[in-house]
Amino acid sequence: DVKVTQSSRYLVKRTGEKVFLECVQDMDHENMFWYRQDPGLGLRLIYFSYDVKMKEKGDIPEGYSVSREKKERFSLILESASTNQTSMYLCASRTYSGSPANTEAFFGQGTRLTVV
Amino acid sequence: DQQVKQNSPSLSVQEGRISILNCDYTNSMFDYFLWYKKYPAEGPTFLISISSIKDKNEDGRFTVFLNKSAKHLSLHIVPSQPGDSAVYFCAASARSGGSNYKLTFGKGTLLTVNP
Repeated sequence: DVKVTQSSRYLVKRTGEKVFLECVQDMDHENMFWYRQDPGLGLRLIYFSYDVKMKEKGDIPEGYSVSREKKERFSLILESASTNQTSMYLCASRTYSGSPANTEAFFGQGTRLTVV
Repeated sequence: DQQVKQNSPSLSVQEGRISILNCDYTNSMFDYFLWYKKYPAEGPTFLISISSIKDKNEDGRFTVFLNKSAKHLSLHIVPSQPGDSAVYFCAASARSGGSNYKLTFGKGTLLTVNP
């Protein structure tokens, strides 16, 4: 079974702190994603990575950065946490299989981040 | 600009009846569509998918229909069971460039199946 593991289920951080959310997948997937889920807004893409050291902005990248130094690990960084970044953060991975990409993405269990 | 739209925030059905969840999209470059199910405090789990070269895909109680001309897809669950109560997300995939395939999600529909 594919496993996507997020380092924390729950986090509480203070405004202005630098926050690291870690995600590891064990299936050698090329693509990895970070989403946030908020009530009434669905899953919104923050950043995704299609290879080691490669990244592309999603729909809401402001206030975030990412790092992918190894294929299995994709980190989301909140440079200076703010209360409007309180959310559920979801990491996903997916293999690349050509055109069209007919594979599903696998999600981690999510990290509920609260910024106070 | 929302490219994947789920216009019904919630749906309530009786156990044993059919649940129909709808999804519309605007980007004609989308070529693969997926449905996910999500329980509270858990990550989404994959349910079923369909390629743009097909108009129907079936897996047990779940069937997805794709109408490309209308840019519309639907998920049918028959018969519905109380354990199906969850938020259902529609997602679509398009090439972003090279091997970059971006997954875009709708806002979700909360399905409640009443015993």
